[in-house]
Amino acid sequence: DSGVTQTPKHLITATGQRVTLRCSPRSGDLSVYWYQQSLDQGLQFLIQYYNGEERAKGNILERFSAQQFPDLHSELNLSSLELGDSALYFCASSVGGWETQYFGPGTRLLVL
Amino acid sequence: TQLLEQSPQFLSIQEGENLTVYCNSSSVFSSLQWYRQEPGEGPVLLVTVVTGGEVKKLKRLTFQFGDARKDSSLHITAAQPGDTGLYLCASYSGGSNYKLTFGKGTLLTVNP
Repeated sequence: DSGVTQTPKHLITATGQRVTLRCSPRSGDLSVYWYQQSLDQGLQFLIQYYNGEERAKGNILERFSAQQFPDLHSELNLSSLELGDSALYFCASSVGGWETQYFGPGTRLLVL
Repeated sequence: TQLLEQSPQFLSIQEGENLTVYCNSSSVFSSLQWYRQEPGEGPVLLVTVVTGGEVKKLKRLTFQFGDARKDSSLHITAAQPGDTGLYLCASYSGGSNYKLTFGKGTLLTVNP
């Protein structure tokens, strides 16, 4: 158990819909990272937040957005969902940046 | 963005065999991390290598960092079914960029 929690574990929805994925970091960690894992693209960095502020951005689509709240939990919002958005979405946390990232168990999203 | 090439993509061996998987880049790594991801779980950090020529051992796993810091290998001695999983290498982009870039991984299956 990494100490990072993600909900829900599984999510099935339809194209065009919007979903919210939630992540609670390990106690004491200020950074939260979001990744997308698919068979063809592998594990891809989406975005990082540090203590409530966006710190780094990867190949995150404009339809996707994230935020980190004062209690340090984070949410990833995916809108206008497409079939190709079906993937595993992982959250990770670390103390700050450059240190070990601890990954959560992931949310498996299926868009039908 | 630094690209990490991992090989082989798939590897299926019998219990007790030795194996080596590779991670290569056309650019110099500032540091390199190896992760193992088991089915249904997030990646777990195994080791970080920083210095060219560095060798680190973790029980039956030996990690090597190339002298030029452009390649790395993971060698497993006497593989066991519990070693089954996806082995990923990853590297941070340099400077103020906190993005962790992953290779697509080697999927290892160790058959009893």
